Amino acid sequence: NAGVMQNPRHLVRRRGQEARLRCSPMKGHSHVYWYRQLPEEGLKFMVYLQKENIIDESGMPKERFSAEFPKEGPSILRIQQVVRGDSAAYFCASSPGAQGNTIYFGEGSWLTVV
Amino acid sequence: KQEVTQIPAALSVPEGENLVLNCSFTDSAIYNLQWFRQDPGKGLTSLLLIQSSQREQTSGRLNASLDKSSGRSTLYIAASQPGDSATYLCAAPLSSSGSRLTFGEGTQLTVNP
Repeated sequence: NAGVMQNPRHLVRRRGQEARLRCSPMKGHSHVYWYRQLPEEGLKFMVYLQKENIIDESGMPKERFSAEFPKEGPSILRIQQVVRGDSAAYFCASSPGAQGNTIYFGEGSWLTVV
Repeated sequence: KQEVTQIPAALSVPEGENLVLNCSFTDSAIYNLQWFRQDPGKGLTSLLLIQSSQREQTSGRLNASLDKSSGRSTLYIAASQPGDSATYLCAAPLSSSGSRLTFGEGTQLTVNP
């Protein structure tokens, strides 16, 4: 039973380019979460999705960031026109239900904007 | 708004020592509390999950306690080993938001052989 799979593990983008981060949840999990960890900072919630629905995006920056979790395929976190301040580790997590369940994290995607 | 604080920020102990990591939260209306471990350049590994109705959970040399009334949780590590060296994070979702975890800043533990 594979864990939460994220790719790419490391991504380098020039300022102004787009970054796409993918997350496949654990088998049987329909709830996906994205968190960001900036250098020397803690993890911050970004967005919570279920299949085809965004449940809570209160942690997402208002511009340039979007997330989806289509009926088929992985969840995608998309960052348009990246800036140096977007350089961070982006973690995806999944759970089988909405509340009271253990949340499992992927290994993260490290984005570097040059 | 939930705020989670962990102390100490860093801890260095000799191998074999028992130790306690502390986590406090401002809003006691939590659904559960989860302890994670993060190794450098890696993701988070879930260690223990304590439901709001529970007082403690144990897994091997780890024991986590939860006191909702005082807004505190502790992670006790018995007979520490160098392999325990990592950053330990606690996180709690508000019962009103179910899934959204608020993390502490973590305690960076170093166990010296």
